[in-house]
Amino acid sequence: DTGVSQDPRHKITKRGQNVTFRCDPISEHNRLYWYRQTLGQGPEFLTYFQNEAQLEKSRLLSDRFSAERPKGSFSTLEIQRTEQGDSAMYLCASSLTSGTGTYEQYFGPGTRLTVT
Amino acid sequence: AQSVAQPEDQVNVAEGNPLTVKCTYSVSGNPYLFWYVQYPNRGLQFLLKYITGDNLVKGSYGFEAEFNKSQTSFHLKKPSALVSDSALYFCAVRGGEGGKLIFGQGTELSVKP
Repeated sequence: DTGVSQDPRHKITKRGQNVTFRCDPISEHNRLYWYRQTLGQGPEFLTYFQNEAQLEKSRLLSDRFSAERPKGSFSTLEIQRTEQGDSAMYLCASSLTSGTGTYEQYFGPGTRLTVT
Repeated sequence: AQSVAQPEDQVNVAEGNPLTVKCTYSVSGNPYLFWYVQYPNRGLQFLLKYITGDNLVKGSYGFEAEFNKSQTSFHLKKPSALVSDSALYFCAVRGGEGGKLIFGQGTELSVKP
């Protein structure tokens, strides 16, 4: 399978704990995006990387959230001191972007976070 | 600011009938528009996109979409619906040079036999 993969698929944690999610993009894709989706809503943009550089962060990304893409391949999203409001599906997507055009994003299956 | 609206929370269609899922957009400049489908507990699957060119865009699984600049719409269509098309459909617009997507709230499509 050469699609976008995410790990874990499900995470249940207690309020105040830290959690980390991993995303492995399609190998030749240079852009990687994180989104958050709550029930009944469309995904909301959190942040994106071009190669290893984090180029944009949403105001949704509070200082408890941090994302990295250290070698321009996989990415991690960490949430510190989780709150119940962090409960959501966290989606990762990747795309190939070059000077010749804009390409669609391919999404992983998501990590469903439940904070109790 | 870029935005999209999906005016219908749910669309019900009988199998074999044509279906339309509506989307309107608001952008500054030329719109880059996308449709995605989401099955339960799954990520989003790309269906089709409009960047430039023909107003009728063909995509995966027999879906197509019509770009209408004067009405700022990008409706998703299929000539003959299948029960397996039942899912959540999202319209999206590119939200800047970085390529982030701004999604509508989604439309749940239900196709009954």
